[in-house]
Amino acid sequence: QSVLTQPPSVSAAPGQRVTISCSGSSSNIGKHDVTWYQQLPGTAPKVLIYDNNKRPSGIPDRFSGSKAGTSVTLGITGLQTGDEADYYCGTWDTSLNVYVFGTGTKVTVL
Amino acid sequence: EVQLVESGGDLVQPGGSLRLSCAASGYTFNTYWMSWVRQAPGEGLEWVANINQDGSEKYYVDSVKGRFTISRDNAKNSLYLQMNRLRAEDTAVYYCARATGGGYWYWGQGALVTVSS
Repeated sequence: QSVLTQPPSVSAAPGQRVTISCSGSSSNIGKHDVTWYQQLPGTAPKVLIYDNNKRPSGIPDRFSGSKAGTSVTLGITGLQTGDEADYYCGTWDTSLNVYVFGTGTKVTVL
Repeated sequence: EVQLVESGGDLVQPGGSLRLSCAASGYTFNTYWMSWVRQAPGEGLEWVANINQDGSEKYYVDSVKGRFTISRDNAKNSLYLQMNRLRAEDTAVYYCARATGGGYWYWGQGALVTVSS
């Protein structure tokens, strides 16, 4: 059972905006930077956002990240069918001494 | 180009053993922490274990402690996961991943481990 909680699913029409929350605690998100991963069906995860709000080269600015206390949020604007995927937050947990992933959120484009 | 290629996935009976390997290329292997991450069918990602650059530090998720052993051979640019006393709940795709900063930027294609009689 993950210590990082995400909504199971979010959906919106093409061109719209969605946000995905990831809630943790003082021993993980409250203490460490967070990475967001995108996992397209049948593929390995890919880094979408690192250090809470930074985008790797090649990731469009439609994707954004923010952090407040023990929660982080991923935002996707201008939703496209290619954005249909599972999204996970992840960070280190100092108390458990393990890396923890969020429960995952499935994004559906209506 | 960084490449991670897992091998060794198979069907194994409950209580059995299996060793996964991960061959790394395209970077200086002995300068990065490495990890194993798994994903059960239809489920989310679960971090399994990691190992530091020279193999002197290892950490495991509670569910595999005492059963799984992570190791590396820097001369062969390879990462391993020895899995003993396998259970049905260990059935998953196992990914080898390279740690950079606070995240995993490079992943292998995954190796399927099925534990079933």
